[in-house]
Amino acid sequence: AQSVTQPDIHITVSEGASLELRCNYSYGATPYLFWYVQSPGQGLQLLLKYFSGDTLVQGIKGFEAEFKRSQSSFNLRKPSVHWSDAAEYFCAVGANNAGNMLTFGGGTRLMVKP
Amino acid sequence: AAGVIQSPRHLIKEKRETATLKCYPIPRHDTVYWYQQGPGQDPQFLISFYEKMQSDKGSIPDRFSAQQFSDYHSELNMSSLELGDSALYFCASSLLAGGFSGANVLTFGAGSRLTVL
Repeated sequence: AQSVTQPDIHITVSEGASLELRCNYSYGATPYLFWYVQSPGQGLQLLLKYFSGDTLVQGIKGFEAEFKRSQSSFNLRKPSVHWSDAAEYFCAVGANNAGNMLTFGGGTRLMVKP
Repeated sequence: AAGVIQSPRHLIKEKRETATLKCYPIPRHDTVYWYQQGPGQDPQFLISFYEKMQSDKGSIPDRFSAQQFSDYHSELNMSSLELGDSALYFCASSLLAGGFSGANVLTFGAGSRLTVL
């Protein structure tokens, strides 16, 4: 069974600073990887996804993520954080044989200092 | 663009009561998924339906049931509610187009927040 670990429960960065949110997955085959963002009281919005091909994927709102098979990681990055990026970020893995059932990590809450 | 519609957005019930949540998927999407997100928790998969048939089952309590109707909307029925059922319930939809593939992307609704008193 697949699993996802997000080691950082909370992260605080200053506005304009760079950001990296960590995600490690466990899955026996090539995973399908996703990053979702959830603002308070809101639903889950897809930021980006990795299925195959180029291991550096670009998403919405200036986010990108890099798939590193050797490290079983799919870290999310943004070069310059905006105050509106404050939210909860979830990494998720989907398996081809699981009918698109996603397994989520525990989430990382991002706070942005002015 | 049309999104996944969930209703009601907020629901307050007493213990041992029954609640029904509804989900209207994106038009032409054939698959619906239900997730439960407890306070401070990550979303947990409950159940999914493909073409009106149950396709996967996760950690859904026996007190809960769900179905997908001919118009592809889905309902999650929860009976004998317990305090621990208080959570945000997400519905998501995708288009599997006749076969399972990890390349499909789930689109989530805004969620229905259930509070059990």
